[in-house]
Amino acid sequence: KAGVTQTPRYLIKTRGQQVTLSCSPISGHRSVSWYQQTPGQGLQFLFEYFSETQRNKGNFPGRFSGRQFSNSRSEMNVSTLELGDSALYLCASSLAGGHLYNEQFFGPGTRLTVL
Amino acid sequence: QQPVQSPQAVILREGEDAVINCSSSKALYSVHWYRQKHGEAPVFLMILLKGGEQKGHDKISASFNEKKQQSSLYLTASQLSYSGTYFCGTEMGSGGSNYKLTFGKGTLLTVNP
Repeated sequence: KAGVTQTPRYLIKTRGQQVTLSCSPISGHRSVSWYQQTPGQGLQFLFEYFSETQRNKGNFPGRFSGRQFSNSRSEMNVSTLELGDSALYLCASSLAGGHLYNEQFFGPGTRLTVL
Repeated sequence: QQPVQSPQAVILREGEDAVINCSSSKALYSVHWYRQKHGEAPVFLMILLKGGEQKGHDKISASFNEKKQQSSLYLTASQLSYSGTYFCGTEMGSGGSNYKLTFGKGTLLTVNP
């Protein structure tokens, strides 16, 4: 069974640009969560999607947005990049993310560097 | 509210035991434990739901004290492979899932031969 895949793996952008990251969950998984990981703050929740609906979001500015497609693949977009957006962006998929919040399977992440 | 993990770092010799704590100031619905090795993605260890049930996974077990809103991860007879950063993720509330995991800053565990 293929794991969670994220593309691209590495990205270098300059301030003010925008970026789109992609996440393909494990086949059959309908819940996708996104996290930002930095050395100082650890793993911070961005948002969670299930069946193309955002069910919760973290405390990030509106420059961070996401969406999920009917095949459960998800994208996140960051507009007007700032230096502080440099981080490892991880997505995680789970079967349902529902009542018994299932085990999450993390992808390898996208390392974003903003210059 | 980000849960607080303690200690921030711990160094063990192979065979020694360790306890990692995760505390929240809010009522918790569930606590999740993950381990992340350097340069790798976090890997699931276990989930504990409110109710105080203790779970086990080989020589790694955990408990959830609902009164204290605290979870503890117990690593016994540590092995070199246990090295990594341990994160607890908490889900707030009492009525069910809110589909959001809030992770602590992590505990760096180093096991030396």
